[in-house]
Amino acid sequence: QSALTQPASVSGSPGQSITISCTGTSSDVGGYKYVSWYQQHPGKAPKLVIYDVIKRPSGVSNRFSGSKSANTASLTISGLQAEDEADYYCSSYTSSSTYVFGTGTKVTVL
Amino acid sequence: QVHLVQSGAEVKKSGASVRVSCKASGYTFTSHGISWVRQAPGQGLEWMGWITANSGSTNYAQALQGRVTMTTDTSTSTAYMELRSLRSDDTAVYYCARVDYDSSGFHYWGQGTLVTVSS
Repeated sequence: QSALTQPASVSGSPGQSITISCTGTSSDVGGYKYVSWYQQHPGKAPKLVIYDVIKRPSGVSNRFSGSKSANTASLTISGLQAEDEADYYCSSYTSSSTYVFGTGTKVTVL
Repeated sequence: QVHLVQSGAEVKKSGASVRVSCKASGYTFTSHGISWVRQAPGQGLEWMGWITANSGSTNYAQALQGRVTMTTDTSTSTAYMELRSLRSDDTAVYYCARVDYDSSGFHYWGQGTLVTVSS
């Protein structure tokens, strides 16, 4: 199972919106509504920010939103803040009843 | 509240085995699964496999088949991950995470366990 493809880095100024893409196949991203997104700060465990493509866990800012079209899922962070600077990973359930993570995206707040 | 507490850091020689534990609290252990995820230094997340806590059914990542075994002890609400024939590229932080059967996403994570493999 190959890792899902994400851009290596995305940057934006405070207050702007950024979008991170996550491209897979019809056997993972495109085949299920089971895409999730994680935020990871250095030295910390990942934190779930989006699950089931569009759902936000309790306590996660509504500045985080998710979507999906065909084999590509996206995470949008609106009103970018300094605390959003972190690594972000997507993940998808697969047709083999396994999970796969994306390659990861480093978000920089300029 | 839900907590997953993992065992401490390990240093192992190449070819040895390591077992990492993950003790769950704050929820009904047998109503969820446990997934294991690792992260090599400076690298991304790698899904290793998962186990259903009630039946012990497992599904492992193809790349680790034959070297990894995941088990649970329902009497202590603890999950275990054993990795054998360790190599230097197994050096990583290993995380456990709770699996919810009715949705995707790992909502709760352990603090991570650093496993260092030296030659």
